Amino acid sequence: DSGVTQTPKHLITATGQRVTLRCSPRSGDLSVYWYQQSLDQGLQFLIQYYNGEERAKGNILERFSAQQFPDLHSELNLSSLELGDSALYFCASSHRDRGGEQYFGPGTRLTVT
Amino acid sequence: GQSLEQPSEVTAVEGAIVQINCTYQTSGFYGLSWYQQHDGGAPTFLSYNALDGLEETGRFSSFLSRSDSYGYLLLQELQMKDSASYFCAVNNQGGKLIFGQGTELSVKP
Repeated sequence: DSGVTQTPKHLITATGQRVTLRCSPRSGDLSVYWYQQSLDQGLQFLIQYYNGEERAKGNILERFSAQQFPDLHSELNLSSLELGDSALYFCASSHRDRGGEQYFGPGTRLTVT
Repeated sequence: GQSLEQPSEVTAVEGAIVQINCTYQTSGFYGLSWYQQHDGGAPTFLSYNALDGLEETGRFSSFLSRSDSYGYLLLQELQMKDSASYFCAVNNQGGKLIFGQGTELSVKP
């Protein structure tokens, strides 16, 4: 158990819908990262927040957005969902903002039908 | 562009030693990380090298040569439970990790 929690564990939704994935980092960690893992693209970095502020951005679609709240939990919002958005979404956390050492949550498996 | 290369598959026998290599080409480099992922599970942090040299953690060791843009993960005394995918990842632009495509390690009895 990494200490990072994610909800929900599974999510099935239809194309065009909007979902919110939630992540709570390990106690004391200030950085939260979001990753997408699909069979054809591997593990892709989406976005990083450090102590409430956006710190780094990857190839995150405009339909996707995230935020980190004052209590340090984070939410990833995915809208206008497409079939290709079906993937595992991981949240990770680290204490520092230069996080080579990141601790991953169990992930949310999103299926878009 | 940014790329990481690692072998797609490696097979070894229980009790043996295996080395998984990783070469990278990225703009910006803070360090090289290694992660283990079992089927359907979350990536688990194994090691991080920011400086050249060898880092040892129990049965696992990791090496980095910044001048050669090369690193490797060494697994000793292989156990069946070590069968998993292993990813190298470059840490650049702060916390951003760029992952390789992963090496699937199969440990045979």
